[in-house]
Amino acid sequence: NAGVTQTPKFQVLKTGQSMTLQCAQDMNHEYMSWYRQDPGMGLRLIHYSVGAGITDQGEVPNGYNVSRSTTEDFPLRLLSAAPSQTSVYFCASRGEGNNQPQHFGDGTRLSIL
Amino acid sequence: AQKITQTQPGMFVQEKEAVTLDCTYDTSDPSYGLFWYKQPSSGEMIFLIYQGSYDQQNATEGRYSLNFQKARKSANLVISASQLGDSAMYFCAMRERSGTYKYIFGTGTRLKVLA
Repeated sequence: NAGVTQTPKFQVLKTGQSMTLQCAQDMNHEYMSWYRQDPGMGLRLIHYSVGAGITDQGEVPNGYNVSRSTTEDFPLRLLSAAPSQTSVYFCASRGEGNNQPQHFGDGTRLSIL
Repeated sequence: AQKITQTQPGMFVQEKEAVTLDCTYDTSDPSYGLFWYKQPSSGEMIFLIYQGSYDQQNATEGRYSLNFQKARKSANLVISASQLGDSAMYFCAMRERSGTYKYIFGTGTRLKVLA
């Protein structure tokens, strides 16, 4: 039972490089989201999606792009990495029902040099 | 604007004792949901308990209970009979409005259980 799978688990980038963080879920969840976790700041919502083809911005969307072409996948793109984007990134999904909890992936630890 | 506040950056509790982790929230919406998550040192986020704004009774899940005081806008997590494995970071989160998928998180409380 895979749940939410994030790849890679660790990544080091140089300033200005681009990359895509992958997120896939096998629970047929419509709702998916990306968070970043920084020390002392909890989790902050970057982007979210309520279904294939539908995305919206969260609290801290600048510097990140997303797309949702399938129910299963929700990749997060950094177009030009900056040191301020050094963080731990979590992908989450949720099933139908407002009382349902979010299921989180194991996170991607990203360092920008 | 919606907001979640956890005022205890760190707490200690003796093994087998109960501990309360504080969470206050601010929202003008009548319909909302409150969640608690545990993050051990290994980093994964583990769902613990949920309370809906219209739920009449406080939520309970095993050793976890939620002390929901709607008028005070507080949703404190109570862990009974603490175990060493309870040492972790704990986050309170709120779903902003019914029908949305936007959640906000508090800054967390780091709990250390002492043997």
